[in-house]
Amino acid sequence: DVKVTQSSRYLVKRTGEKVFLECVQDMDHENMFWYRQDPGLGLRLIYFSYDVKMKEKGDIPEGYSVSREKKERFSLILESASTNQTSMYLCASSSGARASVHEQYFGPGTRLTVT
Amino acid sequence: DQQVKQNSPSLSVQEGRISILNCDYTNSMFDYFLWYKKYPAEGPTFLISISSIKDKNEDGRFTVFLNKSAKHLSLHIVPSQPGDSAVYFCAGFGSNYKLTFGKGTLLTVNP
Repeated sequence: DVKVTQSSRYLVKRTGEKVFLECVQDMDHENMFWYRQDPGLGLRLIYFSYDVKMKEKGDIPEGYSVSREKKERFSLILESASTNQTSMYLCASSSGARASVHEQYFGPGTRLTVT
Repeated sequence: DQQVKQNSPSLSVQEGRISILNCDYTNSMFDYFLWYKKYPAEGPTFLISISSIKDKNEDGRFTVFLNKSAKHLSLHIVPSQPGDSAVYFCAGFGSNYKLTFGKGTLLTVNP
């Protein structure tokens, strides 16, 4: 089974703090993704990476950056947290194989509250 | 521009009956469509997918139907069980590696 783990289930940070969210997958997947989920808005893609040191902007990248130094690890960084970044953050990964690249597997999520 | 739409925010069904969750899309370039199930405070769980060249895919109690001319897909759960109560997300997958999600439908299966 694919396992995607996220460093924290719940996190409370203050406005202006730098926040790191870590994600690790154990299936040697090439692709990794960061989403946020908000009530009534579904899941929205922040950033994704299809290879080490590669990154692509998703639909809502403003206020975020990412880092992928190793294949299994993908970090989301909030440079200066703001209250509108209070959300559920979900990491996902998928294989680079053509037949299964569309199947993304998600971690348990990090509920971030910015006060 | 909402490329994937789930127009019903919620659905309530009796245990043992059929649940039908619907999804419409506007992007004709999607290669696959997927359904995910999500419990509160957990990540989404992949349920079932269908290629854009197929019209039906079945896995146990779950069947997904795709009507390309209508740009519509549906997820059928038969028989529905109380443990199926969750938010269901429909998603389209294109060649840019991205999944585009709908806003979700809350399914409640009543015992």
